[in-house]
Amino acid sequence: SQQGEEDPQALSIQEGENATMNCSYKTSINNLQWYRQNSGRGLVHLILIRSNEREKHSGRLRVTLDTSKKSSSLLITASRAADTASYFCATVYGGATNKLIFGTGTLLAVQP
Amino acid sequence: GAGVSQSPSNKVTEKGKDVELRCDPISGHTALYWYRQSLGQGLEFLIYFQGNSAPDKSGLPSDRFSAERTGGSVSTLTIQRTQQEDSAVYLCASSRGNPTGELFFGEGSRLTVL
Repeated sequence: SQQGEEDPQALSIQEGENATMNCSYKTSINNLQWYRQNSGRGLVHLILIRSNEREKHSGRLRVTLDTSKKSSSLLITASRAADTASYFCATVYGGATNKLIFGTGTLLAVQP
Repeated sequence: GAGVSQSPSNKVTEKGKDVELRCDPISGHTALYWYRQSLGQGLEFLIYFQGNSAPDKSGLPSDRFSAERTGGSVSTLTIQRTQQEDSAVYLCASSRGNPTGELFFGEGSRLTVL
């Protein structure tokens, strides 16, 4: 499987704390993306980081990419109860197609 | 519409029946993807369209699964002779088709096979 893997599988924190999720992947990539999913329905794109970038910010989100370790992390600062969701990393592999492969996801619970 | 539209949102069927799931992507999006998500699991890639052709259908689980896309727009995922293990949420997404690949997802079709 080309699927990436996130860890931890589940994370529970208090409001105001920071949440860090990690993603590892297997082969060279064009870019890596993070998505959020509420209640098992549609996913929403959060942020994209290209293979030649090392860090990217968007609001309370900070993403890092280490291509030598084939890993990425998503940091959510000052978490809120509304951040409770599943978070997935997804990678676009090089080659003839633009197939986006998703990781296994981290379930984040932010306690009020 | 402004977003990706999927229908039906929920489908309950009996084992052995055929089902069709429809996806209407965002206008102008050339790439269209189908994924499957079982309860509490990650997304399983099924098939990807660029225009009307499918460069990658490697994820289709068996020959009971097929998909088509017509006019570079609407796509239909067909599951023949459904089995209980086909029960899942089927998610469709579209993108502009450029290498950046940000996907816009529909709300999914929840399939329950009894």
